[in-house]
Amino acid sequence: DSGVTQTPKHLITATGQRVTLRCSPRSGDLSVYWYQQSLDQGLQFLIQYYNGEERAKGNILERFSAQQFPDLHSELNLSSLELGDSALYFCASSRTSGSTGELFFGEGSRLTVL
Amino acid sequence: GDSVTQMEGPVTLSEEAFLTINCTYTATGYPSLFWYVQYPGEGLQLLLKATKADDKGSNKGFEATYRKETTSFHLEKGSVQVSDSAVYFCALRDLNSGNTPLVFGKGTRLSVIA
Repeated sequence: DSGVTQTPKHLITATGQRVTLRCSPRSGDLSVYWYQQSLDQGLQFLIQYYNGEERAKGNILERFSAQQFPDLHSELNLSSLELGDSALYFCASSRTSGSTGELFFGEGSRLTVL
Repeated sequence: GDSVTQMEGPVTLSEEAFLTINCTYTATGYPSLFWYVQYPGEGLQLLLKATKADDKGSNKGFEATYRKETTSFHLEKGSVQVSDSAVYFCALRDLNSGNTPLVFGKGTRLSVIA
């Protein structure tokens, strides 16, 4: 158990819909990262937050957005869903001071768009 | 930008065979290097890491040595087991550039048969 909690584990929805994925980082971790894992694209970095503020942005579509709340949990919002958005979405967290760099991953949220 | 290249799979081995999964990286800075493993239906788990040149990371019989001169971090195991069947990801993170995300290779699927 990494200590990172993601909900829901599975989600099935239709094209055009909007979903929200939730992530609770490990206790004490200030940074949260979102990754998308699809069969053809591998693990793609989407976005990073540090203590409530956006820190880095990767290959995140404009239809997607995220935020980190004062209690440090994070949500990834996916809207106007397309078939190609079907993927496994991972959240990860990391420490800041004293860190040797590893990220700790949740078990992922599997999104299926029909 | 920084990138990781790892050998394409799938790799199929018999139990007790020797395993090597090649990984090379490109980085402008001096990154930390990681191997993550993803077992079927699970999230990513840190397998081992190395933070400076000539460091050897090891865990569960797996080893990898940080080779700056060849920009490589090859994963090895002397005798694989069926339970090692998983997808293995090589990754880097340049901590000198701030709290940056992990950059992953595309992953190598390993299947070990009895």
